[in-house]
Amino acid sequence: AQSVTQPDIHITVSEGASLELRCNYSYGATPYLFWYVQSPGQGLQLLLKYFSGDTLVQGIKGFEAEFKRSQSSFNLRKPSVHWSDAAEYFCAVGARDTGTASKLTFGTGTRLQVTL
Amino acid sequence: EAQVTQNPRYLITVTGKKLTVTCSQNMNHEYMSWYRQDPGLGLRQIYYSMNVEVTDKGDVPEGYKVSRKEKRNFPLILESPSPNQTSLYFCASSTRQGGENTIYFGEGSWLTVV
Repeated sequence: AQSVTQPDIHITVSEGASLELRCNYSYGATPYLFWYVQSPGQGLQLLLKYFSGDTLVQGIKGFEAEFKRSQSSFNLRKPSVHWSDAAEYFCAVGARDTGTASKLTFGTGTRLQVTL
Repeated sequence: EAQVTQNPRYLITVTGKKLTVTCSQNMNHEYMSWYRQDPGLGLRQIYYSMNVEVTDKGDVPEGYKVSRKEKRNFPLILESPSPNQTSLYFCASSTRQGGENTIYFGEGSWLTVV
């Protein structure tokens, strides 16, 4: 069974500083990997996804993530954080054999606070 | 516009009063799912459906029922809601056709059971 660990429950960064949110997964093969963002009171917005190919994935809002097979990680990065990035971020993994269509397994989320 | 629509968005109900949260998608997706989101636990899958009349349990199915009589609709039924079902619920749809493999989520339904 797949699982996802987001070790940081809460992170605070200053506006303009760089950001890295950690995500580690457990899965027997190469999974499908996703990052979603949820603003307060809102639904889930897909930031980026990795299926195959280039291990550095570009997403929306200036985010990127790098798939590192050797470390079973898919960390999310942004070079310069904006106050509007304050939200909760979820990493998710989908099984490659059945496709993500049937199920995503989510991490517990990291809440990002941005100070001005 | 591709959409997953849930109703109601907000609901306060009492223990034991049956309720249904509807979900509809306009993308002709074969897969649909329900998730619940709780603080500190992330999102957990309740039930999913791979096509009409095909449903299966997810990680936390207890206390819920689903049906898939039409491809576009996947209602979530709480026959006898209890306070521990107070949560934020998300419906999702997806397809494997064309290698899509992207899950589309609805905007969520906030349910409070008192």
